[in-house]
This record gives sequence, structure tokens and C-alpha cells, in this order.
Amino acid sequence: DTEVTQTPKHLVMGMTNKKSLKCEQHMGHRAMYWYKQKAKKPPELMFVYSYEKLSINESVPSRFSPECPNSSLLNLHLHALQPEDSALYLCASSQILGAQGSYGYTFGSGTRLTVV
Amino acid sequence: QQQVKQSPQSLIVQKGGISIINCAYENTAFDYFPWYQQFPGKGPALLIAIRPDVSEKKEGRFTISFNKSAKQFSLHIMDSQPGDSATYFCAAQRQKLTFGTGTRLTIIP
Repeated sequence: DTEVTQTPKHLVMGMTNKKSLKCEQHMGHRAMYWYKQKAKKPPELMFVYSYEKLSINESVPSRFSPECPNSSLLNLHLHALQPEDSALYLCASSQILGAQGSYGYTFGSGTRLTVV
Repeated sequence: QQQVKQSPQSLIVQKGGISIINCAYENTAFDYFPWYQQFPGKGPALLIAIRPDVSEKKEGRFTISFNKSAKQFSLHIMDSQPGDSATYFCAAQRQKLTFGTGTRLTIIP
């Protein structure tokens, strides 16, 4: 299995709603990532998990809350979002090669989020 | 601060032609340079990658040329096909992955 699976594919939520995005991989990768991608822009890193521990938070607002329940799953909990948070949210995973870092990211197809 | 500059922003190439996308980086600590291909509604997919101790890498119709002294690298797509129409991102990595701004490639018949 060489895939990263994201659900749901599309999500429309109001500014007072609470929702969660889910990501799953079964490649044995121990690094997992959340990216945000606006139209015609490159993906922007939000969070990095290494061995199920949060290792990087790119100063993301607290209305985005990541969670890594186990080595295969990654969630992104959403609360009180703003319309400008509408974007494609991408999950990715990669092998950790010791001190060399993590290379060869595998991305999921993303969740298209619309905040109304 | 944009650490990886990519050009052109968009590119139109005739079927069978060569598509060339260029990138330049600033941080000499980068040690891995991948290219990603992204189709509409999909996530980026790793296409080909190179390390700075190699000047060229070829996989099928795709070739990366790497110039360490100039801090530049490029993607060449030979015999471009309509199915290659997508957005291409170069990237550079040292711990974190830094993307270029992207090139929208259109292959016309």
C-alpha cells in the first residue's frame, strides 16, 4: 500500500462549526505532515509529526489543532474557522532516515475545505 | 522569504517538444532536490529527485540537471505529451521541504 488516504474529499463548514480532517497511511512512515494549499500557490507547511510527537508547528492559529493517535493516523481538528481558511488541506508522510532526515514525501489527494 | 525561485510561471509546449522549468535556491545547506507533479484536484506526486553530488539524473522522459556552483537546477521533459499537462513544483530540502512557486505546463497538440 503506497497511498495516503484523506477524508473527506470535500467539506463545507460554517464559522461556528467543529469538524475534523482525517489522514491514514500504511507505508510504515513515521513522519506525517499537514500542508495548506491555496489556489495557484505551493503547499505551505503547517505541522510535522515525528514518531507520533509534534515536532514542528509553523505558527498556525489555534483554531487548527493536530492530533496523531498512532503511527498510521493523523487528524486535523477545525474550530471557529474563517473564510480565508478555505483551501486544499494536504496530508503527507515520509520515512525518517535517522539523522539524514525525511525524504520522498507521499501526499494524499487532499480535503477541499470551504468555510462559509 | 522565498528560498526557491521557479520560472516560468506558465509554459505552453507543443506535443513532442521539450519542456524546461528552472529553479534557483539560496540556502547551500539544502541536500535534496525533488520535483513534484500536481494535477487539478490531486495532491503533489514525487516525480524525480536529485542530490547535490550528482549533476544529472534521468528517469524515462524526465531529466534533472543540477548546477551546484550556480545553485540552480532544472527539469527537462522530453517528447512532451498532453498527459504531462499539470503544475510542476521544484523543491529543496534540509529537514523541511521548501517548495518553489510552481509552473503550470500545458502541452498542445
